[in-house]
Amino acid sequence: NAGVTQTPKFQVLKTGQSMTLQCAQDMNHNSMYWYRQDPGMGLRLIYYSASEGTTDKGEVPNGYNVSRLNKREFSLRLESAAPSQTSVYFCAIRPLTAYEQYFGPGTRLTVT
Amino acid sequence: AQSVAQPEDQVNVAEGNPLTVKCTYSVSGNPYLFWYVQYPNRGLQFLLKYITGDNLVKGSYGFEAEFNKSQTSFHLKKPSALVSDSALYFCAVSELYSGSARQLTFGSGTQLTVLP
Repeated sequence: NAGVTQTPKFQVLKTGQSMTLQCAQDMNHNSMYWYRQDPGMGLRLIYYSASEGTTDKGEVPNGYNVSRLNKREFSLRLESAAPSQTSVYFCAIRPLTAYEQYFGPGTRLTVT
Repeated sequence: AQSVAQPEDQVNVAEGNPLTVKCTYSVSGNPYLFWYVQYPNRGLQFLLKYITGDNLVKGSYGFEAEFNKSQTSFHLKKPSALVSDSALYFCAVSELYSGSARQLTFGSGTQLTVLP
């Protein structure tokens, strides 16, 4: 998975609970991304970070916050989980000289 | 705004036959186009890309894709399908936004099943 690790692999939350999904890379790339994957909808961008300390909203940011405190890690936080946030979450990185992105193994989140 | 359409949710093909997975796109400038494959319970794997140059691009595992600017299409092809090619395939497009973020917009995916 191109040096991208995600934790946890699986998580079940109750409505209203909070949690943080972790993403880490070992390749020192600037650009990192968070996507969610839902059946029949492909992947949709939640947030991205072009460099350490900067973040920007993607297509579906509502209900999420992110943090890029250092170059290696990009975390996604759900402050108050809702059933609509049941999804598979993928982190991705993009090397500076590349156009393509490389994805982590994903976190499967269920909110009941 | 950029967008991608994969008109077929499901494609079935017999092993040994050629396969095509269709993709059309819409962008305001020059497109950067990509194909990814996803096996069950796995992340997305990069297959190939078109940035500029030759309209026929070759990628991993014997896959290739043909860029057609007039038809705004980027169809994925393989001359002889394998059962192991059965997976979910995503087309994606990118444009340069602010800085170098290069956001990807994905299609909804096409499930390819290769029948033995």
